[in-house]
Amino acid sequence: DTEVTQTPKHLVMGMTNKKSLKCEQHMGHRAMYWYKQKAKKPPELMFVYSYEKLSINESVPSRFSPECPNSSLLNLHLHALQPEDSALYLCASSPLANIGNQPQHFGDGTRLSIL
Amino acid sequence: GEDVEQSLFLSVREGDSSVINCTYTDSSSTYLYWYKQEPGAGLQLLTYIFSNMDMKQDQRLTVLLNKKDKHLSLRIADTQTGDSAIYFCAGGETDSWGKLQFGAGTQVVVTP
Repeated sequence: DTEVTQTPKHLVMGMTNKKSLKCEQHMGHRAMYWYKQKAKKPPELMFVYSYEKLSINESVPSRFSPECPNSSLLNLHLHALQPEDSALYLCASSPLANIGNQPQHFGDGTRLSIL
Repeated sequence: GEDVEQSLFLSVREGDSSVINCTYTDSSSTYLYWYKQEPGAGLQLLTYIFSNMDMKQDQRLTVLLNKKDKHLSLRIADTQTGDSAIYFCAGGETDSWGKLQFGAGTQVVVTP
């Protein structure tokens, strides 16, 4: 069982909808990540939060808006998405982000489909 | 940044050993990782090796690191049908703020 919990598991939305993806971890990790993964491809990093502050934004379009309300929660707000945004969105966490690279633990992801 | 390369496909008979290979370009990685992804699931951290180690064994899994050749391998002993999945190796630079470079992934198919 994964220690990083993502909801919902599946999401279908139209291009004009607003929705949010949620991620939760209770391992005391202070770094959290959002990745996008297309089929048969490796994950692509989108955002890194360290101590609840945004550390890295990999030039992600503004229709994706991350939020880290506290050390256990990470949200990804979605608005006006495009069909090419359909993918598996993965959340991960690690003890820290700014000291070396440390093992990242992934959730099972949210399968997003844009109509 | 790190470039990581993997072979794309491996077919193995049940009960045999599997060896998945990975090469990387950056020698400053603190840790090197192996992740497993089953269909429809997220990435499961299988094992990792610190860059000052040569080998790590964990039950059926053996990781070998050849720093001179920048080569990482994962050996799965007594491969089972449940081992069928995509396996990703990943590494990152020491001050990378969590930015991992993933290989393309190796699809492992275990046949009875």
